[in-house]
Amino acid sequence: KQEVTQIPAALSVPEGENLVLNCSFTDSAIYNLQWFRQDPGKGLTSLLLIQSSQREQTSGRLNASLDKSSGRSTLYIAASQPGDSATYLCAVRPYGSGNTGKLIFGQGTTLQVKP
Amino acid sequence: EAGVVQSPRYKIIEKKQPVAFWCNPISGHNTLYWYLQNLGQGPELLIRYENEEAVDDSQLPKDRFSAERLKGVDSTLKIQPAELGDSAVYLCASSSGTAETQYFGPGTRLLVL
Repeated sequence: KQEVTQIPAALSVPEGENLVLNCSFTDSAIYNLQWFRQDPGKGLTSLLLIQSSQREQTSGRLNASLDKSSGRSTLYIAASQPGDSATYLCAVRPYGSGNTGKLIFGQGTTLQVKP
Repeated sequence: EAGVVQSPRYKIIEKKQPVAFWCNPISGHNTLYWYLQNLGQGPELLIRYENEEAVDDSQLPKDRFSAERLKGVDSTLKIQPAELGDSAVYLCASSSGTAETQYFGPGTRLLVL
């Protein structure tokens, strides 16, 4: 059974710091991995999607990497800003779920960036 | 372009009462998902629709939960009767295909007293 774990559960950093959020998964048989952002009381917004054949994806100050063999992904946020404060969730699409679109989510890392 | 719309945003009910949530997906999206998100956890899939057909409802507690998407557009998720443990956020998402990015609505926050 695929399990996704995110550590730490919460993180507080001063503005301007570069930071890394971690995600691990137990089964390397995945189609892709996706990072989402969730603001309080809001739905999820997709940030980056990495296909299983890719090593990383970049969007602005965000960079996500994928090491499928070790079951790990990281989300790197450069020059953090107070507006980055939110909960970040990673999700994998297990192989075999291609026809179902099923995503398995981690529990999230709640980030606070202090001015 | 409007995103995924959900209503109500908040609902407070007493246990054993029925409750229903409504979702309108992004126009043209044939695939619709209902997720359950408990506090401090990631979302868990309840049911997925392809047009009006429920193609994955293995995680839906069928003794009290039901869902429908009669015309293949908007969808309703119902709980009857609600239990204390059903207090959570119910998220709806849609995509243009099962392999495509899922777009989430703001969710309905349910509190069962």
